[in-house]
Amino acid sequence: EAQVTQNPRYLITVTGKKLTVTCSQNMNHEYMSWYRQDPGLGLRQIYYSMNVEVTDKGDVPEGYKVSRKEKRNFPLILESPSPNQTSLYFCASSFTGQNQPQHFGDGTRLSIL
Amino acid sequence: AQSVTQLGSHVSVSEGALVLLRCNYSSSVPPYLFWYVQYPNQGLQLLLKYTSAATLVKGINGFEAEFKKSETSFHLTKPSAHMSDAAEYFCAVIKGGYNKLIFGAGTRLAVHP
Repeated sequence: EAQVTQNPRYLITVTGKKLTVTCSQNMNHEYMSWYRQDPGLGLRQIYYSMNVEVTDKGDVPEGYKVSRKEKRNFPLILESPSPNQTSLYFCASSFTGQNQPQHFGDGTRLSIL
Repeated sequence: AQSVTQLGSHVSVSEGALVLLRCNYSSSVPPYLFWYVQYPNQGLQLLLKYTSAATLVKGINGFEAEFKKSETSFHLTKPSAHMSDAAEYFCAVIKGGYNKLIFGAGTRLAVHP
């Protein structure tokens, strides 16, 4: 089954404790992206990757890191999480091209205390 | 710069009534437009997309949207609402030559018996 898989689905942690949210897709997509969803703001892009070893900042990259060592994986790293990073996070992937719909994971709800 | 405005953060309809969710975009070039639906505790699922082939676009679950260039609108409609349509709906536009999606703030649809 074609899917984007995120782990964990839920995480409660404390300020400053490094964490990684994994994202994996099995559709051989070149493009992958991370979004955060906050009430009243829709989804905002954090980072994206056009292909292996090619990553770039989105609209809200501060406090986050990513890597793209393999085509299927695109982990999101919070080196020193802070409470303002409490949010719902989504990973998405697609083939490149403006008319290509993005496929989304089920989301990861992070709470930073 | 591209942006998307969804009018009405909450819409409530009765079962069997018409569903109309409004989306206006701003774009300096012909846009690629999408509607996504998010059910509780799930990721975003593509409802339909506009890619300039036809102004009336049919999607899944009986939804459709009409692209009106003169009004810069891409409103989502469904003739008869079902209880299962209760969800949050997002309109989005692709930015420039990249896969980047710019999302509206979302509209939460409630369906009453």
